[in-house]
Amino acid sequence: NAGVMQNPRHLVRRRGQEARLRCSPMKGHSHVYWYRQLPEEGLKFMVYLQKENIIDESGMPKERFSAEFPKEGPSILRIQQVVRGDSAAYFCASSPKAVGDTQYFGPGTRLTVL
Amino acid sequence: AQSVTQPDIHITVSEGASLELRCNYSYGATPYLFWYVQSPGQGLQLLLKYFSGDTLVQGIKGFEAEFKRSQSSFNLRKPSVHWSDAAEYFCAVGAEGYSTLTFGKGTMLLVSP
Repeated sequence: NAGVMQNPRHLVRRRGQEARLRCSPMKGHSHVYWYRQLPEEGLKFMVYLQKENIIDESGMPKERFSAEFPKEGPSILRIQQVVRGDSAAYFCASSPKAVGDTQYFGPGTRLTVL
Repeated sequence: AQSVTQPDIHITVSEGASLELRCNYSYGATPYLFWYVQSPGQGLQLLLKYFSGDTLVQGIKGFEAEFKRSQSSFNLRKPSVHWSDAAEYFCAVGAEGYSTLTFGKGTMLLVSP
């Protein structure tokens, strides 16, 4: 059973460009979570999605950030007009069900904004 | 809202020595508790979890953790550390019925020869 897949693993963008991060959950998992890890910090929750629904986006910045989990295909975290402060590692996790279930993490996408 | 404190930013342990990493949480009800390990440039791997029941939890790679409600702690232990254990360790808490996790800032474990 393949684990959580994320791509790309490394992404370099110039200020003002768009970044698209992809996450394919483990087989049989319909719940996806995105976390951001800033240097020397723990992971901070951003958004929780089920297929075609955003359930909790309380950790997502109000501007420039969006997320989706379509019926078909991976979950996408989109950052528009990136700034240097967006440089971080972005991790996706998935779980089979939401309430009290273990979250399994992908390898992360390391975004560098020049 | 829940919170997690990992008081030690760095810990150095000699290979073969015992290890204890501290984790304190703040939450009003019974928490769901996790320890994850992150090797450099890698994602997080689940070491062990506590949901309910026996307060001493066994995990992978010889790790264990003990939930102590009276101390609001969930410390991670290993009797004999191997050089391959050098990594960053994160404690996390989920509220009952949680859908998101709150992480501590992590403890970096260094293993000396």
